[in-house]
Amino acid sequence: DQQVKQNSPSLSVQEGRISILNCDYTNSMFDYFLWYKKYPAEGPTFLISISSIKDKNEDGRFTVFLNKSAKHLSLHIVPSQPGDSAVYFCAASVGTGGFKTIFGAGTRLFVKA
Amino acid sequence: EPEVTQTPSHQVTQMGQEVILRCVPISNHLYFYWYRQILGQKVEFLVSFYNNEISEKSEIFDDQFSVERPDGSNFTLKIRSTKLEDSAMYFCASRLQGHGYTFGSGTRLTVV
Repeated sequence: DQQVKQNSPSLSVQEGRISILNCDYTNSMFDYFLWYKKYPAEGPTFLISISSIKDKNEDGRFTVFLNKSAKHLSLHIVPSQPGDSAVYFCAASVGTGGFKTIFGAGTRLFVKA
Repeated sequence: EPEVTQTPSHQVTQMGQEVILRCVPISNHLYFYWYRQILGQKVEFLVSFYNNEISEKSEIFDDQFSVERPDGSNFTLKIRSTKLEDSAMYFCASRLQGHGYTFGSGTRLTVV
């Protein structure tokens, strides 16, 4: 099931710089997208979401951009901090109700001090 | 901040045995889920539960799996006859409509 793809398994960024995490999807029915952060030995933590009626959503240092025509979304973290080092999962669903959410494989972000 | 609580944190079981993984979702949440993550692989959807019934399940969630919300606070996942390939981290999650999931810390299931 490759409906949500994160093609970069890892990303290394210097503290203070911008981290850009990318995600592509294939199912045009998806209309709600989420990013989760996961530390070792913990469950994923919700970060930010965007619905398909928007192309940008911002929450503090985190901004998600959605390009529906390209079926692509990205998470920008600026400025990056060492505590941001974690695995980031992109996820997508049809609607915001109780239906299943499909996760990407994750990108491990390393923020170097 | 409200949490989703999962117990136990680690369960070791023999192949063929039944296991029950327990979860206490956030009390005012309406939707409940089980996901799993096999070591080194992606987080995979198992099942969603709403209004006391399964609303959706994946192909992984076969007849060996079942879920229950026995008392209005607990949400359990039962695996009837475990296989080696069931070894994974199992995450419970709950949510309100229109919001992201809140995940528990997971139960590491090891089938030997």
